[in-house]
Amino acid sequence: AQSVTQLDSHVSVSEGTPVLLRCNYSSSYSPSLFWYVQHPNKGLQLLLKYTSAATLVKGINGFEAEFKKSETSFHLTKPSAHMSDAAEYFCVVSDWDSSYKLIFGSGTRLLVRP
Amino acid sequence: DAGVIQSPRHEVTEMGQEVTLRCKPISGHDYLFWYRQTMMRGLELLIYFNNNVPIDDSGMPEDRFSAKMPNASFSTLKIQPSEPRDSAVYFCASSFAGQGNQPQHFGDGTRLSIL
Repeated sequence: AQSVTQLDSHVSVSEGTPVLLRCNYSSSYSPSLFWYVQHPNKGLQLLLKYTSAATLVKGINGFEAEFKKSETSFHLTKPSAHMSDAAEYFCVVSDWDSSYKLIFGSGTRLLVRP
Repeated sequence: DAGVIQSPRHEVTEMGQEVTLRCKPISGHDYLFWYRQTMMRGLELLIYFNNNVPIDDSGMPEDRFSAKMPNASFSTLKIQPSEPRDSAVYFCASSFAGQGNQPQHFGDGTRLSIL
């Protein structure tokens, strides 16, 4: 069975400083991994996806993530935080066993201080 | 392109009433998913369809919940009778299987409050 663990429930950074949101996964297969962002009162928006092409994946709004098979990690980073990045972020693994079901992490709330 | 469209955005109703949530997936997508999000339990998959056929409804909480997809462009999630513990945000998502695993695209959700 596949699973995903987000290591921090809350992360607080100052505007203009780097962002690191950590995610570890467990998968029996070559996984598909995603990061989604959810702003207040909105649905989940896809930030980026990894599907066994390049290990460094670039997404929208300056975010990127690196797939590290040896560490079973897929951490999300951004060089410089903006106030508009404040939101909840979900790391997600695809469950190949069950036809495209997504397995969600518990989420990390990113706070950006002025 | 229009995204996944859900209606209503907010619903407030009294316990015991029937509630119907609606979803229009992205045109051409062949998978449709219904989720529920609460503070306590996070995001839970309730049911999903492939080509309008329910594939897995193991996440549906109980018989009070039912979902249908009469055609490729419309799905409903019904709760009858509703209870206060059903209060949550309900999301619909759709995806296109295509080649490999494609991401799901989410609607903005229906915020349901049962009094």
